[in-house]
Amino acid sequence: EDQVTQSPEALRLQEGESSSLNCSYTVSGLRGLFWYRQDPGKGPEFLFTLYSAGEEKEKERLKATLTKKESFLHITAPKPEDSATYLCAVQGPLAGKLIFGQGTELSVKP
Amino acid sequence: DAGVIQSPRHEVTEMGQEVTLRCKPISGHDYLFWYRQTMMRGLELLIYFNNNVPIDDSGMPEDRFSAKMPNASFSTLKIQPSEPRDSAVYFCASSSLDRGYEQYFGPGTRLTVT
Repeated sequence: EDQVTQSPEALRLQEGESSSLNCSYTVSGLRGLFWYRQDPGKGPEFLFTLYSAGEEKEKERLKATLTKKESFLHITAPKPEDSATYLCAVQGPLAGKLIFGQGTELSVKP
Repeated sequence: DAGVIQSPRHEVTEMGQEVTLRCKPISGHDYLFWYRQTMMRGLELLIYFNNNVPIDDSGMPEDRFSAKMPNASFSTLKIQPSEPRDSAVYFCASSSLDRGYEQYFGPGTRLTVT
């Protein structure tokens, strides 16, 4: 069964304290791994898509990496405005359909 | 682009009443998804359409839920009759092959059934 597991469930950081979020997946035929950010009361906002092991993508203080079994979202020198829930999703053999993890709630304190 | 549009943004109804949620996808997108999000169960896929045709409705909880997509620019999710356990935030999202299946979400409809 296709599955996505994110850890930790919650992460509290001080401003400037770098860290990583983990997304482990099992899927038959990965066609893409997606990262989203969700702010309270809003819909998930697309961040990155990764397609193959070894691929990396960056956006401001965020960098996403992908291996054959997991993905990491690295946050460098985070700021309070980075506080949000970060969701990981994979696309398997069914075109268009994403399987989402439960998310990591990130809180960055000034 | 206006993004995915959902209405209403908030809905409060009594148990047993019919609820209809509406979604307008991004123009040119050929996939449309309905999700439900709760604290306990996270983001659950209910049903999705490709070119207005339902592809997978295995996430629809029971016969009280139904979804339609009469054309490329409009979809509805109906709950009849509604129950308190249906209270959740319902999201609509759309995507296309041209954009690598990146899903773009609407602002959601917060449903409360009393």
